[in-house]
Amino acid sequence: EVQLVESGGRLVRPGGSLRLSCAASGFTFGNYNMNWVRQAPGKGLEWISYIGSGSGTIKYADSVKGRFTVYRDNAKNSLYLQMTSLRAEDTALYYCAREETYCTSRDCSDPVDSWGQGTLVTVSS
Amino acid sequence: SSELTQDPAVSVALGRTVRITCQGDNLGDFYASWHQQKPGQAPVLVIFHKDNRPSGIPDRFSGSSSGSTASLTITGAQAEDEADYYCASRDTNGNHVFGTGTKVTVL
Repeated sequence: EVQLVESGGRLVRPGGSLRLSCAASGFTFGNYNMNWVRQAPGKGLEWISYIGSGSGTIKYADSVKGRFTVYRDNAKNSLYLQMTSLRAEDTALYYCAREETYCTSRDCSDPVDSWGQGTLVTVSS
Repeated sequence: SSELTQDPAVSVALGRTVRITCQGDNLGDFYASWHQQKPGQAPVLVIFHKDNRPSGIPDRFSGSSSGSTASLTITGAQAEDEADYYCASRDTNGNHVFGTGTKVTVL
């Protein structure tokens, strides 16, 4: 069974830093691309970061670019999100999300297929 | 635009059929997936690659797509289907993008 368990969320002051972790199990972590998706209280889902299986490709949403850094340790089956210069608008539940590639004879797609339970980050003075 | 637009809320009588739509310019180029989120829980994938269901998802959930619109249909809605539903696809940069979400109420 695929399991993704996030940790590290807490109350932090504006301008502060935080590192989130995601522990993966039940699958070969190093074979999968991973993402971070957040959800502000009462709001919808917002994709914020992607990292390829071998860390060769990394992407960020404009809302976090230059402030957040995603990385992974495939030997430890773990995904991380280093967050700096935190703002009130970064307050959200942060989800670790796995991508799965699905192909037919015609084409392929790679949706998010598994989600963790999330870790809550609150940025407030 | 890379945005995915959904109706904020729909209601359906128990046992009836409801269709949720998702509109976005990129849906003609990228497949949509659909994610169900119940209150206080993480999202769960219910439809991917337009009309495929992960194992364990009831066959009353189905997906379709035409042009810039993707749809999720629940045929014979059950009380446990009451949830928020998000479509997802890719933007012009190939990044994930999620729809605005639809709250489904089962009456």
